[in-house]
Amino acid sequence: DIEMTQSPSSLSASVGDRVTITCRASQSISTYLNWYQQKPGKAPKLLIYAASSLQSGVPSRFSGSGSGTLFTLTISSLQPEDFATYFCQQSYSNPLTFGGGTKMEIK
Amino acid sequence: QLQLQESGPGLVKPSETLSLTCTVSGDSISGSSSSFYWGWVRQAPGKGLEWIGNIYHSGSTDYNPSLKSRVTISVDTSKNQFSLRLTSVTAADTAVYYCVRRFGSWPDYFDHWGQGTLVIVSS
Repeated sequence: DIEMTQSPSSLSASVGDRVTITCRASQSISTYLNWYQQKPGKAPKLLIYAASSLQSGVPSRFSGSGSGTLFTLTISSLQPEDFATYFCQQSYSNPLTFGGGTKMEIK
Repeated sequence: QLQLQESGPGLVKPSETLSLTCTVSGDSISGSSSSFYWGWVRQAPGKGLEWIGNIYHSGSTDYNPSLKSRVTISVDTSKNQFSLRLTSVTAADTAVYYCVRRFGSWPDYFDHWGQGTLVIVSS
């Protein structure tokens, strides 16, 4: 199985901050990497697919980059509605696997 | 607009079988693009996400090897539903279970999720 490791596991930031979350794959996954946002009590929501493509309807302050084993999700200017937990997920091979999540909290 | 809705018992006894159904509205499982798969993801309380498996409208399946011996996913295209059966459950199977649509061709992602249903395994 491909192990996905996210860092940090939690992050405290302020509205307006630029933040970056990292996801590392245990082997190369090309750009088969997706990012999801999950708010408490809600289902995850797709933000970014194929490492850097923005899902329809997702604000442009979200961006993704990377390939191979190292990926990043960046929020250029944090908004109050962005405080949530973020997960990366590889779709390179079955079983599909997720990172452990990064919980973003208000400073 | 596509919607997925899980249904099933919220409490299952240890060693018994967990059964959930996902009803799809806004799209036809059998008439959907050949790129779509229908599946399940679960999340134990306070934990991360685990892919359980998925099914194609033809009935072909893929399962997570960690659960494969206990899992069956089936589809009923006449009712536009698909289902999950997980046998011999233990407390470790307590989780929120989400039904999902997976775009299974490149770039391959979960683009629609149900709201999730909490299943507790307890006597």
